[in-house]
Amino acid sequence: DQQVKQNSPSLSVQEGRISILNCDYTNSMFDYFLWYKKYPAEGPTFLISISSIKDKNEDGRFTVFLNKSAKHLSLHIVPSQPGDSAVYFCAASGEYGNKLVFGAGTILRVKS
Amino acid sequence: DTEVTQTPKHLVMGMTNKKSLKCEQHMGHRAMYWYKQKAKKPPELMFVYSYEKLSINESVPSRFSPECPNSSLLNLHLHALQPEDSALYLCASSQAPGDSYEQYFGPGTRLTVT
Repeated sequence: DQQVKQNSPSLSVQEGRISILNCDYTNSMFDYFLWYKKYPAEGPTFLISISSIKDKNEDGRFTVFLNKSAKHLSLHIVPSQPGDSAVYFCAASGEYGNKLVFGAGTILRVKS
Repeated sequence: DTEVTQTPKHLVMGMTNKKSLKCEQHMGHRAMYWYKQKAKKPPELMFVYSYEKLSINESVPSRFSPECPNSSLLNLHLHALQPEDSALYLCASSQAPGDSYEQYFGPGTRLTVT
């Protein structure tokens, strides 16, 4: 039973264009959402988060949008850079205190 | 400084060995976590320590034994592991327990059980 789903296993984008990574969740008790970036053989790096009381949070090139009614969030990266190529995990918490539930990840490839 | 350090980076152990993984953070965080990540899968939570007390054990087999000696250190003691326990073991910490705090991850220990 996957409570956090990232339905696109991979995404390929041209350098300078926008990357949009999507995430859906099923548990309405989740109230905090995070995006992590992971390079091979390294731990996940925290990128950006959003609380359920907001619908948008921005940090530099990264913006996360939350649509609570659709139980959907997305990460926008503008402009995309080759160094952004990595696996991106969506994660959610709330029902189980500080337990993070991760999606399966999306591999982003930014082509130069 | 958002650094979590883990040692060793790589570990190969036999099924009869006893070994320990170590994790350290100096950010003053009061919650620490162990995750296990298999290839091409997301991290899966194993244990949570809140204010140095074990608060969550995700039904992890007893051959994995966590320990939190103080607020900066977290250990994972390993004994009689199976080959299927081979994985990347990640430590993380957050400012406090609770779901509105970001978790910061270490680089992980790549464990191979032979």
